[in-house]
Amino acid sequence: DAKTTQPPSMDCAEGRAANLPCNHSTISGNEYVYWYRQIHSQGPQYIIHGLKNNETNEMASLIITEDRKSSTLILPHATLRDTAVYYCIVSSQKLVFGQGTRLTINP
Amino acid sequence: GAGVSQSPRYKVAKRGQDVALRCDPISGHVSLFWYQQALGQGPEFLTYFQNEAQLDKSGLPSDRFFAERPEGSVSTLKIQRTQQEDSAVYLCASSHQTGTSVYEQYFGPGTRLTVT
Repeated sequence: DAKTTQPPSMDCAEGRAANLPCNHSTISGNEYVYWYRQIHSQGPQYIIHGLKNNETNEMASLIITEDRKSSTLILPHATLRDTAVYYCIVSSQKLVFGQGTRLTINP
Repeated sequence: GAGVSQSPRYKVAKRGQDVALRCDPISGHVSLFWYQQALGQGPEFLTYFQNEAQLDKSGLPSDRFFAERPEGSVSTLKIQRTQQEDSAVYLCASSHQTGTSVYEQYFGPGTRLTVT
């Protein structure tokens, strides 16, 4: 599975858009990009996934660059409840979690 | 509806004891996964079941770790002769998807195991 690189931590103001980057320069053609998040003391929660097209659901948007070497998860209107560790995963099979980005939403 | 539940939520074991951790997946979910999460780290895959068949156990760290899902629903992760390095949160996840297309997994709250 391709390795991903995420910043260890980020801050965002409540109500603003949170943009979480992920680099995956060694991604191969059959590998999807997945995003999960883990709120403190809970299990991870699926957010969104994509192959090469941008995706949007009720939680977030996923923007994948044309060369697929990087992606951005966008939370359009962050709330305090979005404070969590966000994991970017690139895989064609089982999920391999890295260290993730600890996102803090500030009031 | 009911999500994935795990019991116990907390377990303290003396080194050398055997422990059994239970996972109740979402009803009807075919796929079931176990993960181990050390403090400050992301979850690491242990094993995968499709119904009662254990299709992948490549992540089990040693032969002291054993998982079963005899009737294709409830699963038990057993750790024999626990060691201090086994201290971690053990997460269970289930999905209605199967095989290599399982992207949406529903996780339980985990069991925090502390080995003293």
